[in-house]
Amino acid sequence: DAEITQSPRHKITETGRQVTLACHQTWNHNNMFWYRQDLGHGLRLIHYSYGVHDTNKGEVSDGYSVSRSNTEDLPLTLESAASSQTSVYFCASRESQDRSEAFFGQGTRLTVV
Amino acid sequence: RKEVEQDPGPFNVPEGATVAFNCTYSNSASQSFFWYRQDCRKEPKLLMSVYSSGNEDGRFTAQLNRASQYISLLIRDSKLSDSATYLCVVAYSSASKIIFGSGTRLSIRP
Repeated sequence: DAEITQSPRHKITETGRQVTLACHQTWNHNNMFWYRQDLGHGLRLIHYSYGVHDTNKGEVSDGYSVSRSNTEDLPLTLESAASSQTSVYFCASRESQDRSEAFFGQGTRLTVV
Repeated sequence: RKEVEQDPGPFNVPEGATVAFNCTYSNSASQSFFWYRQDCRKEPKLLMSVYSSGNEDGRFTAQLNRASQYISLLIRDSKLSDSATYLCVVAYSSASKIIFGSGTRLSIRP
């Protein structure tokens, strides 16, 4: 069965370190998204991609970057982790069709100390 | 103003009750609408799409009002297992970002 997986599921890192969260989907979806979820804010869009070599900034992109070298993967990099980036991160993918649903990975809980 | 707004709740209702949530969106170009369910900070999962004519799936009914730019979700005969956060979701086109509301918490009590 097709799926979308995130790794790691949990990570603790120190302030200032570079961190990369992996997202891999086997749906062959063109559209991929990264969100962070914090209490009181719901899911906020960090970056998204409509296809290979395409990346776009979302509403909370500062301090984050993504790259899309193939259809399956959209890694999210925190260039210099900050305590404000402690959050739960969700990756999602979606077909390029109206009314197509988005499928989510199980999330990565990141703690920056 | 947020692109998608929901009442955060919590809604605390007895088992068997009917409960309704509304969600408003600001961009009239929005084309696709969904309700997702999220349990205890797990990943969101699709509950149902929302069609222009309204649609029903068992105890769940979704409505879309384009003129007033809101969508609604009605849950009838609520079950304990309906306790979750319900997320309103909007997409502008097939190949576009999807925007989430902040969610409405629902708690069903015995």
